[in-house]
Amino acid sequence: EDQVTQSPEALRLQEGESSSLNCSYTVSGLRGLFWYRQDPGKGPEFLFTLYSAGEEKEKERLKATLTKKESFLHITAPKPEDSATYLCAATGGYQKVTFGTGTKLQVIP
Amino acid sequence: NAGVTQTPKFQVLKTGQSMTLQCAQDMNHEYMSWYRQDPGMGLRLIHYSVGAGITDQGEVPNGYNVSRSTTEDFPLRLLSAAPSQTSVYFCASRPAGTEAFFGQGTRLTVV
Repeated sequence: EDQVTQSPEALRLQEGESSSLNCSYTVSGLRGLFWYRQDPGKGPEFLFTLYSAGEEKEKERLKATLTKKESFLHITAPKPEDSATYLCAATGGYQKVTFGTGTKLQVIP
Repeated sequence: NAGVTQTPKFQVLKTGQSMTLQCAQDMNHEYMSWYRQDPGMGLRLIHYSVGAGITDQGEVPNGYNVSRSTTEDFPLRLLSAAPSQTSVYFCASRPAGTEAFFGQGTRLTVV
């Protein structure tokens, strides 16, 4: 059975304090690893798709990386507006997308 | 482009009532899905569709029905609401093999 596990469940950072969020996955024949951002009361907003080990993608202060068993979302010098829940999801087929439970990030000014 | 539009945003039902959650997308995506999101459980797939006239069950389909008569619309029907169906429901659409675009969600409370 496909599994996606995110850690930590919650993370509190000072503004400017860089850190990483972890996503471990067990998916047969990975076709895509997705990162989303979710603000309270809103739907998930797409950030990145990674397809193969070694791939990296960046957007502003966020950088996503992928290995054969894990993905990391690195946050460099975060700002309070980066506070949100970050969701990881993986798919081995067109419709079978498995989501993790998310990491709730709080960035304190 | 409105993207994925869900209505209503909030709903309170009594146990045993039925209702339909609406979902519409204007991106001409083939794939549409319904998820529920509960604290500590992540997003779980209820039903999905790979095109007009084609639907299938996801991880937690019991108590829900779907149909897809057009590419744009994918309504979710609760047949007889139960307190266990209290949740936040998200509709998503995507082209084949790529990331999903989500609606803003419907917060449903069953009392």
